[in-house]
Amino acid sequence: TQLLEQSPQFLSIQEGENLTVYCNSSSVFSSLQWYRQEPGEGPVLLVTVVTGGEVKKLKRLTFQFGDARKDSSLHITAAQPGDTGLYLCAGGTLGSGNTGKLIFGQGTTLQVKP
Amino acid sequence: DAGVIQSPRHEVTEMGQEVTLRCKPISGHDYLFWYRQTMMRGLELLIYFNNNVPIDDSGMPEDRFSAKMPNASFSTLKIQPSEPRDSAVYFCASKATSGRGTDTQYFGPGTRLTVL
Repeated sequence: TQLLEQSPQFLSIQEGENLTVYCNSSSVFSSLQWYRQEPGEGPVLLVTVVTGGEVKKLKRLTFQFGDARKDSSLHITAAQPGDTGLYLCAGGTLGSGNTGKLIFGQGTTLQVKP
Repeated sequence: DAGVIQSPRHEVTEMGQEVTLRCKPISGHDYLFWYRQTMMRGLELLIYFNNNVPIDDSGMPEDRFSAKMPNASFSTLKIQPSEPRDSAVYFCASKATSGRGTDTQYFGPGTRLTVL
């Protein structure tokens, strides 16, 4: 069974601080996606990484896919209260072809205090 | 363009009752996914369809759960009989296949189910 473990599960920081969320597995994934979910809403895709070692930046967010495609990280610089939410990583399973079947991590709840 | 539509948004029912959750995917999308989210287990894939055909239902917890997709614009998830442990937020998501295997799944707002 493929599993994705996220850490930390909860993070409460002050505005302006930096943070990193980790997503780890013993399995290799064909792709890795990061989603953000706000209360009462469904997850919304932030980014997709597909190549080992790939780094993508989205304003203050930096996403990295591990060289072996087993892990990923999300780094937020100078966090703002608007970054508050649940961050989910999701791995695309090998052999799933074009199905896009995803395995989700448990999520990291981030609270950024003003 | 409307996103994924789910109804009802909230459902409160008593143990033993039948519950039906509904989903309208984004027009033109050929995949539809049903997920369940709880604090304990996170977001779990229950079943997904491709072109209205169920492809993988290995995530369906037991025979009390069933899902149908009679046409490209409508799907239902039914729980009969419902139990308190079924209380969760149920999400429907859809996507269009691009052939790259990295397509974006678009989630609906979810149905919060409470079984008393």
